[in-house]
Amino acid sequence: SQTIHQWPATLVQPVGSPLSLECTVEGTSNPNLYWYRQAAGRGLQLLFYSVGIGQISSEVPQNLSASRPQDRQFILSSKKLLLSDSGFYLCAWSGGQGNGQPQHFGDGTRLSIL
Amino acid sequence: AQSVTQLGSHVSVSEGALVLLRCNYSSSVPPYLFWYVQYPNQGLQLLLKYTTGATLVKGINGFEAEFKKSETSFHLTKPSAHMSDAAEYFCAVSEGGTSYGKLTFGQGTILTVHP
Repeated sequence: SQTIHQWPATLVQPVGSPLSLECTVEGTSNPNLYWYRQAAGRGLQLLFYSVGIGQISSEVPQNLSASRPQDRQFILSSKKLLLSDSGFYLCAWSGGQGNGQPQHFGDGTRLSIL
Repeated sequence: AQSVTQLGSHVSVSEGALVLLRCNYSSSVPPYLFWYVQYPNQGLQLLLKYTTGATLVKGINGFEAEFKKSETSFHLTKPSAHMSDAAEYFCAVSEGGTSYGKLTFGQGTILTVHP
């Protein structure tokens, strides 16, 4: 069966520090991968998605970047965190065909910026 | 562009009462529709999905939803609420095709269940 892992579960970082959040998927190949941010009371905002190694699409301009160095690894990064980067970050995957395939979510990372 | 509207950011019911969470969507093509549940500090869990075929879809934990094309709705129901149903629920739509499985989510509805 397929599983998705995100770490760390919680993270407290000072403003201006770098960020690296990692997500890995097991039990499937060539998944579509997604990063979301969930701010309190604001639903889910799609940040990035990837349909293959090295292929990253950004949905909104922001202080963050994403990379996919391996088929089942998706990394969210920042060089300098802002206060507005606080939130709950969720990674998800779906079947490579995309059409009608549900997304499956990790347990998320709670990021607090001080 | 597709969009999802969840009517009511908060819904409160008594244990044993009917649960009805409303979702309306807009899409330029036949949509794929999903309901997810999120418990505090956890990721989203798929409750059910509509792709094609039968318009009444049954999911986990006793939930079901009916796709009504004429009303562009996909409301989520459960005949009898349990305390364990208290969570936030999200409706989502995907247009398929070249959308690469991207989902557009509603703003969520927090369900409170009173004893």
